[in-house]
Amino acid sequence: AQTVTQSQPEMSVQEAETVTLSCTYDTSENNYYLFWYKQPPSRQMILVIRQEAYKQQNATENRFSVNFQKAAKSFSLKISDSQLGDTAMYFCAFMKQVGGGKLIFGQGTELSVKP
Amino acid sequence: GAVVSQHPSRVICKSGTSVKIECRSLDFQATTMFWYRQFPKQSLMLMATSNEGSKATYEQGVEKDKFLINHASLTLSTLTVTSAHPEDSSFYICSAFGTANTEAFFGQGTRLTVV
Repeated sequence: AQTVTQSQPEMSVQEAETVTLSCTYDTSENNYYLFWYKQPPSRQMILVIRQEAYKQQNATENRFSVNFQKAAKSFSLKISDSQLGDTAMYFCAFMKQVGGGKLIFGQGTELSVKP
Repeated sequence: GAVVSQHPSRVICKSGTSVKIECRSLDFQATTMFWYRQFPKQSLMLMATSNEGSKATYEQGVEKDKFLINHASLTLSTLTVTSAHPEDSSFYICSAFGTANTEAFFGQGTRLTVV
């Protein structure tokens, strides 16, 4: 069975600074996807970034980037130039490549961006 | 990204009554839909997986007679909370996945309050 662990329940960062959220996972699968989702107060789940396990290159989306270490089963999210609108819950999630969309979520990290 | 619509966004019902929540994929065919439950400040807990035209698969500990799931078409899945009680009050989120997708798409969620 797959597990996803986020060991930082809460984090805070000053506006314009950089913050890194940690995520580790456990799986025996070789092909899979990893995701970071943002859940603002509206509670709508928003996909921030995704990583295919077969790709060695770390995914980036504007101010968001990941550090994917497949051997270490680590998948951290870096947010650069933090903005007030980044304040939200962030969830790391795992999906098997042949998983049919079933996501395994971490516990979440509540990020506060302070002015 | 693809659009998934979930209704209602909020519902209040009396204890002992049933309430139905709909999840629709608007611009793609969802072969699989997932229903999650989320308590405040916690992660998403998978309740069940529904495949079009077949019975839903429930996660361990989820009462299938209380949480009835129907996935009668490739664009619609429903979750019916039967004989609701205050402890069923929660936030329920659906996600949809199609065979052409490599990610799941989320509805807006439903806040259920049982009084």
